[in-house]
Amino acid sequence: EAGVVQSPRYKIIEKKQPVAFWCNPISGHNTLYWYLQNLGQGPELLIRYENEEAVDDSQLPKDRFSAERLKGVDSTLKIQPAELGDSAVYLCASSLGTVNSPLHFGNGTRLTVT
Amino acid sequence: QQQVKQSPQSLIVQKGGIPIINCAYENTAFDYFPWYQQFPGKGPALLIAIRPDVSEKKEGRFTISFNKSAKQFSLHIMDSQPGDSATYFCAASYGQNFVFGPGTRLSVLP
Repeated sequence: EAGVVQSPRYKIIEKKQPVAFWCNPISGHNTLYWYLQNLGQGPELLIRYENEEAVDDSQLPKDRFSAERLKGVDSTLKIQPAELGDSAVYLCASSLGTVNSPLHFGNGTRLTVT
Repeated sequence: QQQVKQSPQSLIVQKGGIPIINCAYENTAFDYFPWYQQFPGKGPALLIAIRPDVSEKKEGRFTISFNKSAKQFSLHIMDSQPGDSATYFCAASYGQNFVFGPGTRLSVLP
């Protein structure tokens, strides 16, 4: 099966500019996650979707971050405006959403804000 | 209570050695404990996972030991190889909520 696809792989922007990341989950996976991974640290949840519904966005900085998952398939994460501290890897993951179903991660988008 | 602690932060072993990575949690609601392996430039990939009703699980050279009363679990890599050099993350979950440890960077010297 095809894995989780993310684009772009790398993005360099100046601070205060907007940026968007795209994720296409594994077919049939109705649960989709966006994680933030800072250098040398573990993934930290930003938002979790079950189908089209954002069921956990408590850690999403809503003043500058937004996400959508139209039609319950692919998803977009946006930052506007970006700050220097947003430089990190943004990981998308998906799962079947059943009990003890594992996460499958994409290769992430590495964002550098200058 | 949502935190998962992991140690050591980094680990260097010789080829053939048995690196051990330890994790601990507080939230007794966690009911699934996966380990992920991450190579540079790649996303984390599931390595092996265990449920709390089992004390040990082995898959190939990878073994998870689980101590429910101590709320601790560990990963052992038997006969480690240079290709095992990567960052390893333990995680704990309940429902669809996953919490990750900070990671252990393993280097296996040839």
